[in-house]
Amino acid sequence: DGGITQSPKYLFRKEGQNVTLSCEQNLNHDAMYWYRQDPGQGLRLIYYSQIVNDFQKGDIAEGYSVSREKKESFPLTVTSAQKNPTAFYLCASSTTGDGYTFGSGTRLTVV
Amino acid sequence: ELKVEQNPLFLSMQEGKNYTIYCNYSTTSDRLYWYRQDPGKSLESLFVLLSNGAVKQEGRLMASLDTKARLSTLHITAAVHDLSATYFCAGRGGGSNYKLTFGKGTLLTVNP
Repeated sequence: DGGITQSPKYLFRKEGQNVTLSCEQNLNHDAMYWYRQDPGQGLRLIYYSQIVNDFQKGDIAEGYSVSREKKESFPLTVTSAQKNPTAFYLCASSTTGDGYTFGSGTRLTVV
Repeated sequence: ELKVEQNPLFLSMQEGKNYTIYCNYSTTSDRLYWYRQDPGKSLESLFVLLSNGAVKQEGRLMASLDTKARLSTLHITAAVHDLSATYFCAGRGGGSNYKLTFGKGTLLTVNP
């Protein structure tokens, strides 16, 4: 079955560490997105990519980095510059039409 | 820049009652989405509204779109406990930009 897979489901980060969240899709979607969700907040866009080897900052890109070397993959790195990274992270992909698909999410906690 | 505002943010309902969630957006959005989220889970797509006057219904939920008023509504009819969840609306900016902008969500609790 086609879908979008995020891993790991839970991730713990120590102060000063970089961590990478994985997002893989086999839907042949061109566009991929990373959103952050905090309690009581909507989803806020971190980065998005509409084609391979190209990506744009979203509304809250500071402290995060991404790459898009393959169409299927859009990993997100949470760097030590992100001072408050504890949140639920959702990856999504879409066609140029309406086909938005969301992953099951990664919950990141600072310990 | 598209902005999306939902209200109310919290909604406590009794089973059997009707209520409406409102979603206002600031600039042209070429389509409007409604999603449901259960605690700790991902988003489940409910409706995509494409044009002015669009109305879609699924079970006890009905969504509508008024592009002139820049308003979408999600109407809940005869609520049941299983509808308890957080509901989000999201707009898409249009043109070649496919990113979604979300409202803050409405936490719906349906009490027996």
